[in-house]
Amino acid sequence: GESVGLHLPTLSVQEGDNSIINCAYSNSASDYFIWYKQESGKGPQFIIDIRSNMDKRQGQRVTVLLNKTVKHLSLQIAATQPGDSAVYFCAESDYNQGGKLIFGQGTELSVKP
Amino acid sequence: EAGVAQSPRYKIIEKRQSVAFWCNPISGHATLYWYQQILGQGPKLLIQFQNNGVVDDSQLPKDRFSAERLKGVDSTLKIQPAKLEDSAVYLCASSLDPDPGNTGELFFGEGSRLTVL
Repeated sequence: GESVGLHLPTLSVQEGDNSIINCAYSNSASDYFIWYKQESGKGPQFIIDIRSNMDKRQGQRVTVLLNKTVKHLSLQIAATQPGDSAVYFCAESDYNQGGKLIFGQGTELSVKP
Repeated sequence: EAGVAQSPRYKIIEKRQSVAFWCNPISGHATLYWYQQILGQGPKLLIQFQNNGVVDDSQLPKDRFSAERLKGVDSTLKIQPAKLEDSAVYLCASSLDPDPGNTGELFFGEGSRLTVL
């Protein structure tokens, strides 16, 4: 069944270190994946996306890796800064299911100065 | 460019009362979404509009929730009567892509936080 909880997984890193946030997705037919950042009191903000025909995509300081074999997605943040502190969500969608975006639980990233 | 606007930001009501939330998407965005985000969880889609038509409302509790987007621009989400478990942040999002299956970047508003006592 679906797990429900109030306690998000937490990742604590030192400023300047690299961060890796992991996500397991559920639908093997999902063909599009997005990482969102959500700061306290705000809506989710797009970070980076990747389609299922790719296994890696890079942005500014961020890299997303997709492993379809094990249905795993990761977000790497280089040289993590205090402003990166937030909750990070992965989301998946399947074009043949109408493109509905399904969000994961989220991981809270805390950056220590 | 103005973002997605939502109001009110905060609302406190007692159970069995009603509440309405309003959303104004980014100009020109054809697709509008309402999500429910319970504390500690990821957003869950309630309803998706393509212009003024409903694309997906499979997870909308239709006995108490309703939503409309009459002129294909603004949208309202109503809850009547509210239950304790409706306490959550209600997020509105919009996207430019007119193909509802081709999920592109969603732009979210800051949300409306509902507390049901």
